[in-house]
Amino acid sequence: AQKVTQAQTEISVVEKEDVTLDCVYETRDTTYYLFWYKQPPSGELVFLIRRNSFDEQNEISGRYSWNFQKSTSSFNFTITASQVVDSAVYFCALSEAGYNQGGKLIFGQGTELSVKP
Amino acid sequence: DAGVIQSPRHEVTEMGQEVTLRCKPISGHNSLFWYRQTMMRGLELLIYFNNNVPIDDSGMPEDRFSAKMPNASFSTLKIQPSEPRDSAVYFCASSLDRGRAPLHFGNGTRLTVT
Repeated sequence: AQKVTQAQTEISVVEKEDVTLDCVYETRDTTYYLFWYKQPPSGELVFLIRRNSFDEQNEISGRYSWNFQKSTSSFNFTITASQVVDSAVYFCALSEAGYNQGGKLIFGQGTELSVKP
Repeated sequence: DAGVIQSPRHEVTEMGQEVTLRCKPISGHNSLFWYRQTMMRGLELLIYFNNNVPIDDSGMPEDRFSAKMPNASFSTLKIQPSEPRDSAVYFCASSLDRGRAPLHFGNGTRLTVT
């Protein structure tokens, strides 16, 4: 069965600090997709990144970077030099790619990040 | 390009009333998902459609909930009769290629049942 665990419920940092949000997943599939979404205080869900299980290359996008390690079933998200605007709830999610599964997206419980000035 | 459009944004109703939530997916997307978000249970998948056909409704809480997708550009989620425990934010999302492609979410409908 699929499961996504975000053990950090809340994180509070001061602006310009680096912060890493942890995500651990469980799946029996060999082919799957991992996602990160951001939910700012306004409530919408914003897509940040998708990774497939065959691509373990780390990705960097501006101040954001993602570390995917199949050996530990983790897909961690790092924000470098955090800013107040990064304050949001961040969700990690998993979708199995098997055709019968149909791509159901399962979310972790979310990590609430608070960046203080 | 318009995103996923949900209506209404807010709904307040009394227990026992019927509630209908509406969703217009992004044009060309062939998968549509309904999620519910609560503090206690987080983001739960209720049901999803592929090419207008319900694929998995195992997340629908009970018979009071029903969802339809009569065509590629419209879906409804109905609760009848509503109960206070149904109070939540309901999100609709659409995607190309089931859930393998990123889901694009609407802004959600905040439902309050008194």
